[in-house]
Amino acid sequence: EAGVAQSPRYKIIEKRQSVAFWCNPISGHATLYWYQQILGQGPKLLIQFQNNGVVDDSQLPKDRFSAERLKGVDSTLKIQPAKLEDSAVYLCASRPRLAGDTNTGELFFGEGSRLTVL
Amino acid sequence: DAKTTQPNSMESNEEEPVHLPCNHSTISGTDYIHWYRQLPSQGPEYVIHGLTSNVNNRMASLAIAEDRKSSTLILHRATLRDAAVYYCILSPLAAGGTSYGKLTFGQGTILTVHP
Repeated sequence: EAGVAQSPRYKIIEKRQSVAFWCNPISGHATLYWYQQILGQGPKLLIQFQNNGVVDDSQLPKDRFSAERLKGVDSTLKIQPAKLEDSAVYLCASRPRLAGDTNTGELFFGEGSRLTVL
Repeated sequence: DAKTTQPNSMESNEEEPVHLPCNHSTISGTDYIHWYRQLPSQGPEYVIHGLTSNVNNRMASLAIAEDRKSSTLILHRATLRDAAVYYCILSPLAAGGTSYGKLTFGQGTILTVHP
């Protein structure tokens, strides 16, 4: 089974520039998450999608961050304009619908996209 | 969200058992205890979860205190590959029972395994 795919793996930009990250979740996973992980900290949830609708975006800095999940599959996370403090790894995760003994309802994470803002 | 407390770091020797503690004194009756780990330069991965009874899987065991205010993740024989940050997270079943609630990660425990 293919895992969660993310791209690009690395991105270096200057402050005030824009950047976009792409995520392809595991096939059939209705729930998709974007997390931000700053060096030395645990991942912080930015936004949660259920199919193509937003469930929770309470910690998304909406003045500069935006995310969409068209057709309930792939998702993009955009930052515009970037600030120095946005330097972090952006992790995408997906989760299947919990179904009795067939799965644990666990999150599957991608390898992340590392952003450096200079 | 109910909070968990974990030691910042722990050390172990290869092939020895490792007991990673987690305190969650404000856990609610519907909170499940989830453990994830994050290997260097990778996204977190699921380890195990449970509600009240002890749980075992191919990766680890989860021992849950009778009052549920603490739990312990047990790696029976640590290997170098188990060196990672281990996160203990509380999350209830979401409404409808078709998924767990969001996972809020703390700082976790950095496990170092010595050869």
